[in-house]
Amino acid sequence: GDSVTQMEGPVTLSEEAFLTINCTYTATGYPSLFWYVQYPGEGLQLLLKATKADDKGSNKGFEATYRKETTSFHLEKGSVQVSDSAVYFCALSDLSNDKLIFGTGTRLQVFP
Amino acid sequence: IAGITQAPTSQILAAGRRMTLRCTQDMRHNAMYWYRQDLGLGLRLIHYSNTAGTTGKGEVPDGYSVSRANTDDFPLTLASAVPSQTSVYFCASSDSAEQGLDTQYFGPGTRLTVL
Repeated sequence: GDSVTQMEGPVTLSEEAFLTINCTYTATGYPSLFWYVQYPGEGLQLLLKATKADDKGSNKGFEATYRKETTSFHLEKGSVQVSDSAVYFCALSDLSNDKLIFGTGTRLQVFP
Repeated sequence: IAGITQAPTSQILAAGRRMTLRCTQDMRHNAMYWYRQDLGLGLRLIHYSNTAGTTGKGEVPDGYSVSRANTDDFPLTLASAVPSQTSVYFCASSDSAEQGLDTQYFGPGTRLTVL
């Protein structure tokens, strides 16, 4: 079945460092891809999404490009802030049943 | 606008007891979902509802039941709680029944401990 694999965390960075969180997927067809973020003590919220190959989703300085050839949707940010500390979830839409399938999440810790 | 509210925020429950987690949304979304979040496993779908009056099973439905009597409310019931149901439970909603394509909005979660 469809699945999402994320890099294990925690990812620990200093403020203003470059961030990459890897996400790869396995799916039949061409699912939509998402990044959700969970700040401490809160529920998940959508960060960005891409619905077809080569689409780039972007929001709050974060970007991710839908790469069909490498089945990847890596999350990047050029300069992280302490306020970006959170857990980031990669997800895809399972086209067989329209359900979201989540990765296990990657915790990001940014220190001043 | 509250969005999605969940109650209680946290609960400690003895094994074998019945428990209902409440979820209410004020966005008039058609679809609602219940997930559980466990360390190392991410979020897993328990049950969902595409519209009021209908429900469906997700990835891990055993031991849980839901109802959708109206658009706003989607309670999750554990008929006889077991320790493996210790988890953080999130309710979510989306505007469309095309769940995979539409943004899902999440509640703040309920932390449940079953002893």
